[in-house]
Amino acid sequence: DAMVIQNPRYQVTQFGKPVTLSCSQTLNHNVMYWYQQKSSQAPKLLFHYYDKDFNNEADTPDNFQSRRPNTSFCFLDIRSPGLGDAAMYLCATSRDGRRGNEQFFGPGTRLTVL
Amino acid sequence: AQSVAQPEDQVNVAEGNPLTVKCTYSVSGNPYLFWYVQYPNRGLQFLLKYITGDNLVKGSYGFEAEFNKSQTSFHLKKPSALVSDSALYFCAVRDDNTDKLIFGTGTRLQVFP
Repeated sequence: DAMVIQNPRYQVTQFGKPVTLSCSQTLNHNVMYWYQQKSSQAPKLLFHYYDKDFNNEADTPDNFQSRRPNTSFCFLDIRSPGLGDAAMYLCATSRDGRRGNEQFFGPGTRLTVL
Repeated sequence: AQSVAQPEDQVNVAEGNPLTVKCTYSVSGNPYLFWYVQYPNRGLQFLLKYITGDNLVKGSYGFEAEFNKSQTSFHLKKPSALVSDSALYFCAVRDDNTDKLIFGTGTRLQVFP
């Protein structure tokens, strides 16, 4: 089945220790998104790629970076995680940027910062 | 600016009873509306969407939603609730200017046996 896969599902890191979360998709979708979600709140968009074009949200901290080496994979790098970065990180894809297209979400990676 | 509102933090319903989860929206152009469900420690799952056409939209797991332009609402409904429907539900609208999804604050649905 075509899907969005996130690894790992649970990640524990130490304060200030860099961490990378990964997302892969078999849907061959053009657009990939990274969201941060804290304690049952609405997901907050961090950035997205339309193909290789990177779009950063204005309020995304510089501590968060992303890479998309090819259509299938996208990575979220947190350079120096703080306690406030503990959250669920959700990857999503959509076929293209058209407004009527729904987004498909992965299962998420829950990040714990000690 | 586009927005959605989910006025209820939690909805409680007995199994077998009909359920409604409310959503109202504010858009400047044509609304593109979505419902997602989130189970504990999982990502969001797409349920249904309204783009154009029939006001009653049918989706996954027996859910449906009614688009009401005059009341600017897009309430999620199901005729007979299941305990397994207990989850967090998000309404979302596509932003006219940026094409991003704007999510509501979420409504927790609790279905009691």
